[in-house]
Amino acid sequence: DVKVTQSSRYLVKRTGEKVFLECVQDMDHENMFWYRQDPGLGLRLIYFSYDVKMKEKGDIPEGYSVSREKKERFSLILESASTNQTSMYLCASTQILSYEQYFGPGTRLTVT
Amino acid sequence: RKEVEQDPGPFNVPEGATVAFNCTYSNSASQSFFWYRQDCRKEPKLLMSVYSSGNEDGRFTAQLNRASQYISLLIRDSKLSDSATYLCVTTGRRALTFGSGTRLQVQP
Repeated sequence: DVKVTQSSRYLVKRTGEKVFLECVQDMDHENMFWYRQDPGLGLRLIYFSYDVKMKEKGDIPEGYSVSREKKERFSLILESASTNQTSMYLCASTQILSYEQYFGPGTRLTVT
Repeated sequence: RKEVEQDPGPFNVPEGATVAFNCTYSNSASQSFFWYRQDCRKEPKLLMSVYSSGNEDGRFTAQLNRASQYISLLIRDSKLSDSATYLCVTTGRRALTFGSGTRLQVQP
């Protein structure tokens, strides 16, 4: 079974804090993705990575950065958290050339 | 305009009913289409792919109409366990593009 894990289920941070969200997958997938999910807006792609040390901007990268130093790990960084980044963050991975995305359980981030 | 549009619902149906959802997509270059299912407070999971010829998986049937740029999902003999949000998904410019989902509530 593919397993994608995320470091926290719930997180509360203050405005201006630097926030790290970690994602680890155990199936040697090449591709990894970060989304945020908000009511009425669906899943929106923040960043994705096709290989170690490679990253590409998704549809809403502003205010975020990512790091992929190892194949199994993809980190999302909020450089200076703001209240409009309060959301559910979902990580996903796929094999190369596959569209079946395996998601982690999500991190519900609240920025106060 | 959203790239993938879905009626958010909720669709409230009795057990045993047949229910259908549609979604429309705007990117005519999209090549692949899927339905994902998301249970309350859970992550999305692939339900089925959608092929041009249509495809069936048990009680679920998916159809694609490229000319009109819409995708449908039909669920027959609804079960309580079918209650979930169904996400319509297409291949976007860079990766998958997700609709915001249609919520189904099957009632006893």
